[in-house]
Formats: sequence, structure tokens, C-alpha cells
Amino acid sequence: GDSVTQMEGPVTLSEEAFLTINCTYTATGYPSLFWYVQYPGEGLQLLLKATKADDKGSNKGFEATYRKETTSFHLEKGSVQVSDSAVYFCALSDRAPGQGAQKLVFGQGTRLTINP
Amino acid sequence: DTGVSQNPRHKITKRGQNVTFRCDPISEHNRLYWYRQTLGQGPEFLTYFQNEAQLEKSRLLSDRFSAERPKGSFSTLEIQRTEQGDSAMYLCASSSKSKTGELFFGEGSRLTVL
Repeated sequence: GDSVTQMEGPVTLSEEAFLTINCTYTATGYPSLFWYVQYPGEGLQLLLKATKADDKGSNKGFEATYRKETTSFHLEKGSVQVSDSAVYFCALSDRAPGQGAQKLVFGQGTRLTINP
Repeated sequence: DTGVSQNPRHKITKRGQNVTFRCDPISEHNRLYWYRQTLGQGPEFLTYFQNEAQLEKSRLLSDRFSAERPKGSFSTLEIQRTEQGDSAMYLCASSSKSKTGELFFGEGSRLTVL
């Protein structure tokens, strides 16, 4: 079945450092890919998405590029802030957005802590 | 607040008891999902409703679990004869048919089975 693998956490960085959180997937067909973020005390929320190969999703300074050849969707940010401290989840859906229920398959999550 | 609301936020129960969780989705959303999340893991899909119809169920949803969405608005998830392995965070999410893949999650209901 479909699966998502994320880099092990926790990850601790200093403010303004460069961030990469690795995500690779296994899927039949052409999945849509997502990053969700969970801030302390809040529900998961969509950070960014990409629906086809070579698409780049971006939001709040974060970026991820859908790489079909390496089955990857790594999350990057050039300069992190304390407010980016959260748990980040990579996820896939075997359906294109707008094509039915989004039965997401999630990775295990990566806890990120940014120190001032 | 017009977000997804879940109640109760935390439930502690003894093994063998029944528990029920409630989810109130964003009012204009016709799709509603239940996920389960155990410690250190990502959420796992349990079931999905479109309006009042339950259209998909995961194999994770044993016959002790039942979910309803009687009027296409709020939903309940009941677990009968709870077991310690049921201890987890139960997440509800909703989405609009017109939205491009974004699910809106509640804060979850944490179940602890003693």
C-alpha cells in the first residue's frame, strides 16, 4: 500500500538557520503530496501542497518540490523563526484535489524546535 | 469560532466501557473524516462521510467502532467495549467539495483506556 517516510526527529535549530525535513513516499499512480503542520495546542493545518511532478508548493517561506524521479517531497525554509516550532507531517493522497475524498496517508511527523 | 470542534477533549475510561466522541465540522463542509493518531505516529484514516452517507471505512475500524452523521452535520464516533489498544487521539476533519484537497482538522479527542 501507499506509505510516507519522514526523517526522524526531533530537530532542533537556531533561529535563522536553514531547514530541511526529508520526506519520501511509495505510491502507485500519481499521488498528490502535502505538508501539514501542527502548532502547540492546535489542530493540523495545511502548509503547502503539490499535485503533479515538478510542482513546487510554497507558503510562509516554506517550499517543497514534487520529485517523481526520487519519490520525494522535502520541506525547506531558508531562515527559520521561533514561531516555526511545531510538528510537521508529510502526507499523500491517491486522488487529485477535487476528485473525491482526501484519504490522506501521513508520515510519522517531525518535531521541530527553534531556539532564539 | 467557525473551526472544527471536537468533544470531549480528553476521556479517561476503564477497559470494557463504551465511549462516544462528537465532531462539529465547519458548517458549509459536506465531507467529514475521522482519523486516529497514536503517540509518535501520524494520523491514520478511519472513515469518511459525504453528507450523511458513510462512504469509506478503513480495516482499522473494527466492529466495536461505529460512526454516524445522522443529518449531514455533526458526527459521532462510538467505541464499544474499549480496550487498552484503543488509547489514542481521535481526530476529526472536514472539507468542502470545492476545496482543492485541504482538510481542516479539529484539535482532537484524546482517549485513555485504563
